[in-house]
Amino acid sequence: DTAVSQTPKYLVTQMGNDKSIKCEQNLGHDTMYWYKQDSKKFLKIMFSYNNKELIINETVPNRFSPKSPDKAHLNLHINSLELGDSAVYFCASSEGGRPEAFFGQGTRLTVV
Amino acid sequence: DAKTTQPTSMDCAEGRAANLPCNHSTISGNEYVYWYRQIHSQGPQYIIHGLKNNETNEMASLIITEDRKSSTLILPHATLRDTAVYYCIVRPRRYNNNDMRFGAGTRLTVKP
Repeated sequence: DTAVSQTPKYLVTQMGNDKSIKCEQNLGHDTMYWYKQDSKKFLKIMFSYNNKELIINETVPNRFSPKSPDKAHLNLHINSLELGDSAVYFCASSEGGRPEAFFGQGTRLTVV
Repeated sequence: DAKTTQPTSMDCAEGRAANLPCNHSTISGNEYVYWYRQIHSQGPQYIIHGLKNNETNEMASLIITEDRKSSTLILPHATLRDTAVYYCIVRPRRYNNNDMRFGAGTRLTVKP
């Protein structure tokens, strides 16, 4: 069983569209994250949720709206997609008191 | 979080030890050293972390200098599957938040 799973793995869409990326973790963790890795391979934290509460928002445009319906899910909705949103998006999770975070396999978003 | 400096790239022969250095001269007393790696097209993977003592687990060893201003990640018997980008991250432990601030990392290439 995949610990942190993201869907879809690939997403190609046109500018201006709205899209969502889903993330689920079956590890029983209470904190989940979204990261963005751009074309230059820099990996940056976007959001962090603990027990469905937002605890980090790294000055991400408000076109990006994370939604956490429960502790096991953290979905990323993006409105009015722009070319610069093209990147690989990684979801991750961790458990309170533990040092490691577990990452999903990533979703490659291409905006054309 | 303290800044880290890593070499851009390194090569290692298969079966030999890979020693990856990291400088963190501005590290604070409450900051830990974390290592993650990212194999091509995969999400980052936690390797090891430490505060001031040397640490070893099934993946690697972490050697932290006495003044804590630098550290070395050691992969004792590198294999081709260890080819990846290795990230050294310095930050405090936070109970409910393991967000990582990734730098450029070191691209390790293990050669046959």
